[in-house]
Amino acid sequence: QVQLQESGPGLVKPSQTLSLTCTVSGGSISSGGYYWSWIRQHPGKGLEWIGYIYYSGSTYYNPSLKSRVTISVDTSKNQFSLKLSSVTAADTAVYYCARGGRYCSGGSCRPNWFDPWGQGTLVTVSS
Amino acid sequence: EIVLTQSPGTLSLSPGERATLSCRASQSVSSSYLAWYQQKPGQAPRLLIYGASSRATGIPDRFSGSGSGTDFTLTISRLEPEDFAVYYCQQYGSSSITFGQGTRLEIK
Repeated sequence: QVQLQESGPGLVKPSQTLSLTCTVSGGSISSGGYYWSWIRQHPGKGLEWIGYIYYSGSTYYNPSLKSRVTISVDTSKNQFSLKLSSVTAADTAVYYCARGGRYCSGGSCRPNWFDPWGQGTLVTVSS
Repeated sequence: EIVLTQSPGTLSLSPGERATLSCRASQSVSSSYLAWYQQKPGQAPRLLIYGASSRATGIPDRFSGSGSGTDFTLTISRLEPEDFAVYYCQQYGSSSITFGQGTRLEIK
């Protein structure tokens, strides 16, 4: 079955860029039919969707983070990545990657529910 | 953005009891595009329900979802010890995906 695994630095300094990669195994990103997403969870808090990418490279970001987020895909490595710029302590969170199914309605397509998820990786923003 | 409000914040019940969790949307969720997840400490969320009422693969039938429009419910018919966790709803009916703030189901 498809498995996802996040990787990247666990500590990032304020004002720098957070960079994480999600490696997908057991399935190919380029086969289509799914959106690949990043979701985060602040310590002891709820879930916040960050954005998603399709294998073609099309993306959609949470409007509240859009100015700082870039999600990219490398189909040759079966990976997708997150970059979050100008981080502050408020970006300290567990970051999850997840697969979202694709559905189309009214001429637009977007992800539906998320399954499976990676195990998550804690990123702390601190000097 | 569709805001999802879950209630109660914490629910204290005993094994064997019935749990009813609510998720209310600030505007109608089109086509019942709503999912439920269970999260245990130190783990990633696990998909339970999609399309408001369809159980995900491998989810026991004591879990059921219902609702439409702005009001959705997750029901656990008879609580097992492993069901005590935090539950989140998520809507995917709008371009911006949002989650509820969660309901903590604890052992009474």
